[in-house]
Amino acid sequence: AQTVTQSQPEMSVQEAETVTLSCTYDTSESDYYLFWYKQPPSRQMILVIRQEAYKQQNATENRFSVNFQKAAKSFSLKISDSQLGDAAMYFCAYRRNNDMRFGAGTRLTVKP
Amino acid sequence: SQTIHQWPATLVQPVGSPLSLECTVEGTSNPNLYWYRQAAGRGLQLLFYSVGIGQISSEVPQNLSASRPQDRQFILSSKKLLLSDSGFYLCAWSEAYEQYFGPGTRLTVT
Repeated sequence: AQTVTQSQPEMSVQEAETVTLSCTYDTSESDYYLFWYKQPPSRQMILVIRQEAYKQQNATENRFSVNFQKAAKSFSLKISDSQLGDAAMYFCAYRRNNDMRFGAGTRLTVKP
Repeated sequence: SQTIHQWPATLVQPVGSPLSLECTVEGTSNPNLYWYRQAAGRGLQLLFYSVGIGQISSEVPQNLSASRPQDRQFILSSKKLLLSDSGFYLCAWSEAYEQYFGPGTRLTVT
C-alpha cells in the first residue's frame, strides 16, 4: 500500500524567511500525482501545488515551490518570503487514480 | 464555477443514533466524489469514493456507508454511531488530477 510520511509534526519560520517542509512516500508505481494542501484554522483544505510524476521539472506557484526527487520518493515544499497567512497545517498527498493518501501533516507557525 | 456544499457544519449525536451527512456539487457533471475523515490532529483518511450514480467503492470497512442517489449528490450514513466515529468529515470532488474539498462537517459522538 502507498504511504505518505511527513516527518516534521511542527515547524516554525520567521516572517519573510524561507521554510522547507519534508515529505516522503512509498509506491511501486511510476505514474502518479503529488500534492501539497494547506489547512488553515477554518479547516478548509486548499490546494497549494501539484506535481505530476512524469514531469522532471519542479512545480512552482508564486512563493511555493517543490523539490521532487522521484528516485528518492521525496517531495518537499519550499515556502519563500513567508507571510503570517501561511500559518496552517500542511498536508502532503499522493494520488494514483482514485487512490489518494495523505500524510499526517506539518503544523507551520509563522513568527512576526 | 464549481462549488461544493456540505451540511450540517457541526453535529452532536449520541452513541447508537443514525447519521446522514450530505454533500452536493454545483457547476460540473458526473464528478468523481469522495468522503474523507480527519481525526483530531491527523491527516485525511479516504472512506468512500464514487465514479457515478449508484457506484460506491469502500476503502475502509467500518460502521459507515455511502450512497450516490443523484449525479452531484453524495451521502454518508450510519445506522448506529460509535464513539470512534467522531471526527471531521470532508467531501471532495475531482476533475482531472486535482481534488477540491468542501467545508467539512465536525461530528461529535457523545
